[in-house]
Amino acid sequence: AQSVTQPDIHITVSEGASLELRCNYSYGATPYLFWYVQSPGQGLQLLLKYFSGDTLVQGIKGFEAEFKRSQSSFNLRKPSVHWSDAAEYFCAVGGGNKLTFGTGTQLKVEL
Amino acid sequence: DAMVIQNPRYQVTQFGKPVTLSCSQTLNHNVMYWYQQKSSQAPKLLFHYYDKDFNNEADTPDNFQSRRPNTSFCFLDIRSPGLGDAAMYLCATSRGQGTIQPQHFGDGTRLSIL
Repeated sequence: AQSVTQPDIHITVSEGASLELRCNYSYGATPYLFWYVQSPGQGLQLLLKYFSGDTLVQGIKGFEAEFKRSQSSFNLRKPSVHWSDAAEYFCAVGGGNKLTFGTGTQLKVEL
Repeated sequence: DAMVIQNPRYQVTQFGKPVTLSCSQTLNHNVMYWYQQKSSQAPKLLFHYYDKDFNNEADTPDNFQSRRPNTSFCFLDIRSPGLGDAAMYLCATSRGQGTIQPQHFGDGTRLSIL
């Protein structure tokens, strides 16, 4: 069965600092990997996705993620965080017509 | 803009009183999903429609039903809501079946049970 682990429940960074959110997945075949962001009281917005090819994926809002098969990881990064990035971030793995989400990382940005 | 719209944004119902949540889409996607998301948890898939084909998750309670009268609309019916059904309900769509297609989410309906 596919699964996703996001080991950090909460992360706090200062505005302008770099950010890395961790994601580890378990899936028997080549995974389809996604990062979504959820602002309070809203639905999920797709930040980026990985299907194949270049392991460094660029997304919206200045985010990028790197797929590392050897580590079963798909970590999300941003070089300089903005206060508006404060939200909850979900990593997800797709397989068998189904998305499985991690439990999310709540990002707080200090001004 | 093409989008996924959920109504209402907030719904309050009484314990045991049936409630219906609605979702509409202008994306013309053939797959529609319903997720339940409890506080500080990941979204949990309840079921999805691929065109008119209904696909129920094995652990979705019988209390939850869904209807899709046409491509644009999908409804979530909770026949006898219990206190444990209080949650955010998210509707999503995708162009085709198979998770290579990204899902597009509505803003959700937050359901409260009195």
